[in-house]
Amino acid sequence: AQTVTQSQPEMSVQEAETVTLSCTYDTSESDYYLFWYKQPPSRQMILVIRQEAYKQQNATENRFSVNFQKAAKSFSLKISDSQLGDAAMYFCAYRSALTGNQFYFGTGTSLTVIP
Amino acid sequence: NAGVTQTPKFQVLKTGQSMTLQCAQDMNHEYMSWYRQDPGMGLRLIHYSVGAGITDQGEVPNGYNVSRSTTEDFPLRLLSAAPSQTSVYFCASSYRSHGEAFFGQGTRLTVV
Repeated sequence: AQTVTQSQPEMSVQEAETVTLSCTYDTSESDYYLFWYKQPPSRQMILVIRQEAYKQQNATENRFSVNFQKAAKSFSLKISDSQLGDAAMYFCAYRSALTGNQFYFGTGTSLTVIP
Repeated sequence: NAGVTQTPKFQVLKTGQSMTLQCAQDMNHEYMSWYRQDPGMGLRLIHYSVGAGITDQGEVPNGYNVSRSTTEDFPLRLLSAAPSQTSVYFCASSYRSHGEAFFGQGTRLTVV
């Protein structure tokens, strides 16, 4: 089974600054999808960004961008110009493009934004 | 477009009681799944389905049953609730083999 590792249980950032959340994964597959989800205190799981492994270009969504290093099996999330509303738990997730029958989630990183 | 509708949002059960968590999606997704979320453990897959009439076990299936009679609905049944099943439960759906998961709002279940 694939594993997803988030080695930072907690992170903090000053408002308007930049923070990077780390994620590594273990797979023998070459085609897959990677995701970052945000879970605010409301508990709702919200998709932040997605990356297809066959695409070399790093995905970006407004202030959110990823650094996808396929050979290193690394998928970090960069949040620029951090806002108070970015405070949440962030989960990294993996999905095989071959079987696709399961999403594998990391244990999450709790992000605090300091005013 | 309602997306994934999960009910109830909160539930308290006594040990040994049974209940069903409801999940419905209106996006015609083939793939539906149930996860439980526990502190420090991320989301763990309980059961999943790739279409009506097809279900399979995930990582932590014991104590839970599922069925998929329609594309839209995927209920999760707790047969005899135990305190170890105290958790937050999420239903999710997606297109088969590609794309992101869409989540319900979650159910906080407490078993006393």
